[in-house]
Amino acid sequence: GQNIDQPTEMTATEGAIVQINCTYQTSGFNGLFWYQQHAGEAPTFLSYNVLDGLEEKGRFSSFLSRSKGYSYLLLKELQMKDSASYLCAVNGGYNKLIFGAGTRLAVHP
Amino acid sequence: DGGITQSPKYLFRKEGQNVTLSCEQNLNHDAMYWYRQDPGQGLRLIYYSQIVNDFQKGDIAEGYSVSREKKESFPLTVTSAQKNPTAFYLCASPASSGNTIYFGEGSWLTVV
Repeated sequence: GQNIDQPTEMTATEGAIVQINCTYQTSGFNGLFWYQQHAGEAPTFLSYNVLDGLEEKGRFSSFLSRSKGYSYLLLKELQMKDSASYLCAVNGGYNKLIFGAGTRLAVHP
Repeated sequence: DGGITQSPKYLFRKEGQNVTLSCEQNLNHDAMYWYRQDPGQGLRLIYYSQIVNDFQKGDIAEGYSVSREKKESFPLTVTSAQKNPTAFYLCASPASSGNTIYFGEGSWLTVV
């Protein structure tokens, strides 16, 4: 079957670093996405990984290990506005998109 | 600018009524998707279409119907058979390269 797992909730302190993990089991793989979503709004794109390794983009980095079916999103220098849900999604081939349930991150002062 | 337009933003449905949510894209993409999101939950796939005049059921298709008569348009009808339709609905379309997913702004449906 197709399955994507990520923690339901996380909390962190302003200015700190947080890592959100995602594991996946899909019949096909053509890339992994991370999206940020604020309540009641459409998701916004953060990163896309198709090859193993780390992709860095400002305060956000994303890592992929295809052999382990594992990815993480790293958020540095946390700000209050980073409080949101973070969605892990896999392109399972032929543009078949599979989303995890999302991780709700709460950033505290 | 290219993108996905969903309408209406807010919609109220009476018991026993069918309603249709519109999704239009000017990105020239082949694939389009409809997702449902309940409060505090992730996205669940309702229907998807990889090409004009073809569509497939997703994980929660019961009580919904779609059509794909034009490349630009993928409307979703929430039928009276859907007993709990109150949710946030998102239309999405991946780029042909597969490295970007475009989303509409979403539609809120409430049963009154």
